[in-house]
Formats: sequence, structure tokens, C-alpha cells
Amino acid sequence: AQKVTQAQTEISVVEKEDVTLDCVYETRDTTYYLFWYKQPPSGELVFLIRRNSFDEQNEISGRYSWNFQKSTSSFNFTITASQVVDSAVYFCALRRYNTDKLIFGTGTRLQVFP
Amino acid sequence: AAGVIQSPRHLIKEKRETATLKCYPIPRHDTVYWYQQGPGQDPQFLISFYEKMQSDKGSIPDRFSAQQFSDYHSELNMSSLELGDSALYFCASSGPSSDHYEQYFGPGTRLTVT
Repeated sequence: AQKVTQAQTEISVVEKEDVTLDCVYETRDTTYYLFWYKQPPSGELVFLIRRNSFDEQNEISGRYSWNFQKSTSSFNFTITASQVVDSAVYFCALRRYNTDKLIFGTGTRLQVFP
Repeated sequence: AAGVIQSPRHLIKEKRETATLKCYPIPRHDTVYWYQQGPGQDPQFLISFYEKMQSDKGSIPDRFSAQQFSDYHSELNMSSLELGDSALYFCASSGPSSDHYEQYFGPGTRLTVT
């Protein structure tokens, strides 16, 4: 079975703190895709990153970085020097090869206080 | 850059009525996806279309139907509406080749059934 677990339901930090959002996935497939999406209070879903199962290279984009480890089936997301605008629900998602369906985790609500 | 357009943004219907949601994908995107997100929940995949043909199917009720037209826009038709259909409905689109695996979401249509 395919499953995505985001154990952290809610995280609160103060501005400028670093924060890591955890994502653990389950799949027996050898080829799959992992994603992070951001859902701000306005409600839209914003694509942040895609990582292929055969590419374990970590990625950094500005204050965002992602750590993909197949050995632990984890795809964690770190925000450095958090800002109030980072306040949102963050979803991790899994997509199997040759399917269209995104399997989302239950999301982590991040609140950044000034 | 152009994004996915969904209309209407808000819709209020009564039980047993019908509703039609429209989605206009990003230009040159050939695949459209529909998701349903209940209050406080993660998005659930309903159905997808590639080149006007149904591509994949998720947990879409029999009361719902969808199609993709020759200009690639898509419509989700919902009949015999129930209170439990109240949700945020997202349309997403993706393009050809490697971009196919990245789904870009529209702002959503918030459906309220009373």
C-alpha cells in the first residue's frame, strides 16, 4: 500500500527560527515521485518541489531545503530563518510511476509568529 | 505566468441540486486532474484526463462525472448534491514530457451545499 505520514500536526515557531517538517512515505514501487505543496490561508495549493525516486540529491532553494533519504523513506523539508509569510499548511505527497494520483499526507500546519 | 483558472470560485447549492465546475489548464498543458478537499483534510484525487480521454480514476462518486474538451478545459458535473459534498474542489494541470509529473493547482472552487 502507498502511504504518506506527516506526524507533526502543528508546529509553532518564532520568526527567524529554523524549522523542519517531516515526511515519511511507504511504497513498494522502485520508481515513484515525491512532492511538497504549500497551502497558505488563502487556500490555494502551491507546488514547491518534485523529487524522483532515483535522484537522492538534496536540494536548496533560497531558504528552503529538502533532504531525501531512501534508506529511511523520508523526504524532509527545512525552512531556514522562517518568516511570517511561511505560515501555511504544508503537504507532502507521493505519486506512483504511470499513475496520476497524488497521495497526500495529512499536512503540517506551520505557524510563524513575529 | 498563466495559472490554472477555475470557475466559479464560490458556489452555494441546495441538497439534490446539480453543480458544474469548470477548469482551464495552463496553456499547452494536456492533462487535467480533479481533487476534493474536505474541511481540515488533505486533498483526495477524483479523476484525471489526458488528451480528452480519462486517464486515471480515484474515489469519485457515481453522482459525479467529468470530461475534457477539445480546447483542454475540463468540467466536473455533480448531481444530487449531498451535504457531504461541501468541500474545496481543485483542478490541476500538467504539461508534456518531464513536466508531466508536476501538477499545478488552480485556486479551487469552494462548494457549499445547504
